[in-house]
This record gives sequence, C-alpha cells and structure tokens, in this order.
Amino acid sequence: TQLLEQSPQFLSIQEGENLTVYCNSSSVFSSLQWYRQEPGEGPVLLVTVVTGGEVKKLKRLTFQFGDARKDSSLHITAAQPGDTGLYLCAGALGNTDKLIFGTGTRLQVFP
Amino acid sequence: NAGVMQNPRHLVRRRGQEARLRCSPMKGHSHVYWYRQLPEEGLKFMVYLQKENIIDESGMPKERFSAEFPKEGPSILRIQQVVRGDSAAYFCASSPPGTSRQYFGPGTRLTVT
Repeated sequence: TQLLEQSPQFLSIQEGENLTVYCNSSSVFSSLQWYRQEPGEGPVLLVTVVTGGEVKKLKRLTFQFGDARKDSSLHITAAQPGDTGLYLCAGALGNTDKLIFGTGTRLQVFP
Repeated sequence: NAGVMQNPRHLVRRRGQEARLRCSPMKGHSHVYWYRQLPEEGLKFMVYLQKENIIDESGMPKERFSAEFPKEGPSILRIQQVVRGDSAAYFCASSPPGTSRQYFGPGTRLTVT
C-alpha cells in the first residue's frame, strides 16, 4: 500500500509567521499535486510539480518536489488568516495518474 | 469555462436503495476519476475512466459499485443496495489528456439511513 505521510497534522500559528508542511513517501511519483480543501467543498488544485528538484512559487507559497520524486514541501511566508484550511498533497502513480492522497495538514492562522 | 459539475450535492438513501451520482467533467477533459472520502479519513481512489472505457477500477469495491462514462452525457457512479458504510463524500475529478493535473468537483455527500 502506498502511503503519503504529511506533517505536521495540525498547525496553529499567528498571522505573519512562516510555516512548512512536509509530504513524504517511499514511493516514486510521476508528479505531485498540492490541494487546499474547505469544509463541504472539493479539493482546489494549487500546483503540480513534475520534475525532481522542481520549485514553484505561487505568491507567498513555495512548493518543492524532492530530487528523487518521493517527497515534497509547501512553505508559506507571512501566513494570513485567509490561508486557513486543509492542505493535501497527492502523488500521481503509474500510467493512469491515479492520485494517492496524503493524510492532510490542517492549518489555522490567527489574526 | 465551468468547472467540474457534480449532482446531486446531497443524497439521502435508505438501506437497500440505489444511489446514482453524476459528474460532468470540465470542457475538453476526457479523463474522469472518482474518489471517496469517508468520515475522518482521506480521499481514496476508486476508478479512472475515459470515454466509454474503464481504465483502472482497482479502488472499487468488488460488489454493488459500478461506474461508466458514456460517449454522450456525464459519468455515473452507481451504488446498488446501499449500506450505512457507504455514507461518504464522493468526489469526481477530470483531467485533460496528456497531463496529470486533476480538477475536482464539489462532491456528492451520500447519507444512508
């Protein structure tokens, strides 16, 4: 069974702080995607990383794909209350690109 | 360009009834994936379809569950003789050919009473 472990599971921080979320696996993925999910809604795609070592930036969010394509990180600079939510990493496997989802990180940013 | 559409958003069924969940992919997307999110659990892959073909159904329960993506119309996930354990949020995602990016719909929340 392929597993994607995310850490930390929960994170409560003050507005303005920086944070990093980690996503680790023993499996090699063809690509890795980060999503954010609000209660009662579907996951919203933030980014897709494909190449080992790739770094992508989305405003205050920086995503990195590990060199071996087994792990990834999400770094948020100067977090804001609007960043509050559930962050999910998902690795694409094999020819079908079916996604294996991580265990999730629930972020709370207090004003 | 409308996103992935799913209906109904909420569905209540009694034990033993059938549940039909519909998914219309984004325009231009020919690949559809279904995932299930059980209460307090993560999203789990169920099935991957292209038009008129089931490509990978390795995540589908062996009995009572079926899926189709006809040439015309939405993809359908069908659950026959529902049981309480089928209560979950069912999400559909679509993807354009040649990319692994998947865009999710808002989900159908199935409650079995």
